[in-house]
Amino acid sequence: RKEVEQDPGPFNVPEGATVAFNCTYSNSASQSFFWYRQDCRKEPKLLMSVYSSGNEDGRFTAQLNRASQYISLLIRDSKLSDSATYLCVVNNGGNTPLVFGKGTRLSVIA
Amino acid sequence: DAGVIQSPRHEVTEMGQEVTLRCKPISGHNSLFWYRQTMMRGLELLIYFNNNVPIDDSGMPEDRFSAKMPNASFSTLKIQPSEPRDSAVYFCASSSLAGGQNEQYFGPGTRLTVT
Repeated sequence: RKEVEQDPGPFNVPEGATVAFNCTYSNSASQSFFWYRQDCRKEPKLLMSVYSSGNEDGRFTAQLNRASQYISLLIRDSKLSDSATYLCVVNNGGNTPLVFGKGTRLSVIA
Repeated sequence: DAGVIQSPRHEVTEMGQEVTLRCKPISGHNSLFWYRQTMMRGLELLIYFNNNVPIDDSGMPEDRFSAKMPNASFSTLKIQPSEPRDSAVYFCASSSLAGGQNEQYFGPGTRLTVT
């Protein structure tokens, strides 16, 4: 079983739609969690950290369920510029590297 | 502030040739990571360094791959000899051990094509 699993998509949604991505992780000792965004032919960039209490950044809301080892990202009022691949990322603590999912591709259509 | 710098941005070479990829991490960051990304396998960690010391190279695919970090501001990833299946985008990333949540910052990548 992969350590971080995501639905690869693609998710094709119209502008203005709300879309949600889910991710599961296998290591119950994972300590910190992130969503990264990767545009076509570009490097991954940090979108937001995910906190236990859930957190919001504008149109983006991230949630963490430690009991179920499940992370989600909700995008409201989708824009064309949200089209990208969204990578679910976990850190297992200390100085260990981040563990990346393979990403979920989103296409927002006019 | 300058981000992670990688060179070259694109490399096209023939099978059997030596390839050297370069990375300059963000100043003050003391962890450095080399990744490879392909459509099939996604983002794979090859090796990482803490304070210039290699910590885990279990992701390095074969002896043809080697990485060095002679000082805090420079690292190389070398492939010798290169093979067509090495074609991928190679990313370098850095982070600060002092950072509470260990966020990593990626360079723009080197797109390698081996013919």
